[in-house]
Amino acid sequence: DTGVSQDPRHKITKRGQNVTFRCDPISEHNRLYWYRQTLGQGPEFLTYFQNEAQLEKSRLLSDRFSAERPKGSFSTLEIQRTEQGDSAMYLCASKRTGQETQYFGPGTRLLVL
Amino acid sequence: LAKTTQPISMDSYEGQEVNITCSHNNIATNDYITWYQQFPSQGPRFIIQGYKTKVTNEVASLFIPADRKSSTLSLPRVSLSDTAVYYCLVGEGRDDKIIFGKGTRLHILP
Repeated sequence: DTGVSQDPRHKITKRGQNVTFRCDPISEHNRLYWYRQTLGQGPEFLTYFQNEAQLEKSRLLSDRFSAERPKGSFSTLEIQRTEQGDSAMYLCASKRTGQETQYFGPGTRLLVL
Repeated sequence: LAKTTQPISMDSYEGQEVNITCSHNNIATNDYITWYQQFPSQGPRFIIQGYKTKVTNEVASLFIPADRKSSTLSLPRVSLSDTAVYYCLVGEGRDDKIIFGKGTRLHILP
């Protein structure tokens, strides 16, 4: 399978714990995007990278959230001191610069108890 | 980015043609119209994109009138597996983030 992969697919954690999600984009894609989706809503943009550079961050991305793409390949999204409101599906997408569409992964579903 | 308006939900029956219309009155000259499909517990999947007139691929057709203030996604002979949320997006630049609305929940009945 050469699509976008995300790990883990599901995560249950207790409030206050830190969690980290990983995204592996399609190999030749230099742009990588993170979105968050809550029940009944469309995905909301969080941040994106071009290669290893983080070019834009949404105001939804509080100080507890940090994303990295150290070598311009896979990316990680960390949430520190999780809150119940962080419960959502976290989606990763990738594309080549100039390509018409983003390719989404299956998402990581986070539940904060 | 232009705002879009689409029905919250639609029901149809297997074998029927389904048309979902999206309004985008403030579409800009350089904006494209893109539709994504999302199944439960999966990420969105690109269906089709167009700029004007009609675009057709193996999955759907997209009809765009001359004023481009609306567009219609047409799904021929739907099956139960077409039950999903369909998002209409306008203004996705070649390198921009995607701004999703709430989409249209399409429910196909047997």
